[in-house]
Order: sequence, then structure tokens, then C-alpha cells
Amino acid sequence: SQQGEEDPQALSIQEGENATMNCSYKTSINNLQWYRQNSGRGLVHLILIRSNEREKHSGRLRVTLDTSKKSSSLLITASRAADTASYFCATGPNNAGNMLTFGGGTRLMVKP
Amino acid sequence: EAGVVQSPRYKIIEKKQPVAFWCNPISGHNTLYWYLQNLGQGPELLIRYENEEAVDDSQLPKDRFSAERLKGVDSTLKIQPAELGDSAVYLCASSVGRGTYGEQFFGPGTRLTVL
Repeated sequence: SQQGEEDPQALSIQEGENATMNCSYKTSINNLQWYRQNSGRGLVHLILIRSNEREKHSGRLRVTLDTSKKSSSLLITASRAADTASYFCATGPNNAGNMLTFGGGTRLMVKP
Repeated sequence: EAGVVQSPRYKIIEKKQPVAFWCNPISGHNTLYWYLQNLGQGPELLIRYENEEAVDDSQLPKDRFSAERLKGVDSTLKIQPAELGDSAVYLCASSVGRGTYGEQFFGPGTRLTVL
């Protein structure tokens, strides 16, 4: 079963625009992570935000976490064609060791 | 530093045949995971190892799937016999160790096609 639900399922934007993806989850978490998967490639970790954090930045990425609403968002600023990929949120539940439950992903296309 | 290594990258078999996938995690990573990823979906955990011990295999279909990590390093996932619905990408991942919460490092996956 997949705990996270990403929204939208697909997103198409022009290069230079910002892309926002949302993730909702159901149970309490220790942390939430975002991963990227390019066509034909494995998953690559982008950023981790812990349950006691509200916002985190990494380069052009900004992640927010609202534990009261059980939701997170990933913002990619000034998108590039190379950002075209599927983006997955993954939640790490409390007291379950380092295990992750992935959502269904958002497929982002950035047009040059 | 070498990443997670998986082989083969692609496998095509006929239904009812056996198949095996191999994974070598990043050196020093005690935790190893096998995931299944269907087309257009996120990965789903099949089994998680802490060293040699399978600590979470609740999603592994034990009637046809088996896995081992005998020396606590590399691991093998087997399907016998394969069914048409097993066509998917099988991902292996590793992370540092028990009790830590952090990123998982994924291999490129094995794409299985069952005919």
C-alpha cells in the first residue's frame, strides 16, 4: 500500500517557471523525503525534512511540511529541461526503523 | 565510491520459469531493501534486511518469492515460478544502519518482463 498521495499526478511547465508538487500522507511520521527518478534511471534522494521542521531548502528546491495537515510540498524554482522526471514523496513512520512508504509520484515535464 | 549494484539490468523470461536478481549494497551499509515498482507507480517495499536478518517481509509473496542475505552484504531475490503479473522493475536500496533515519541509496533496478 502507498501512504503518500502526490498531487498533481502530472505537470507540464515551461523552462524558467516554478513547479510545485504536493504530498499528503495518513499516519504520523519521523521524516518525509523527496526522490527524483529520471526515465530509465534509479531513484535519487533530493531532500529530507524531519517532523519537527517546517521548511527546508537545498539549491533550487524548497520543501515545506505541515504535520497538522499531514502534507508536504516540493517547490522547484527556475526549472530546467533537465528537471524533467518523476518526483516521489516518501514517508518514514515513527518507531518503524528506517523504512519508507512511497507515493505514486508526480510526473514533471519541463519544456525548453 | 561505488553505488548500489544490481544485475542483471534486464531479464525476459517465460511464465512459470524461475528468475533471480542480485544486489550489492554500498560498502558499510547494514540495511538493505528490495522494492517492486510497477509502471507509473511508486516503489513498494518487499523486504528489508538489517545485516542478515529480515526485519520486515510482510509484503513479500512468500509462496513464490524468496530472498536471502547470507553474509550480511549482498543479497539475492528469487521468484519461482514467475507469473505474468510479476513484470515490473525490481529495485534494491541500502542505507547506513539500524536506528537511523536517513536517505536510501537505490540501484538502477532490474526490469523483468514475463511472457
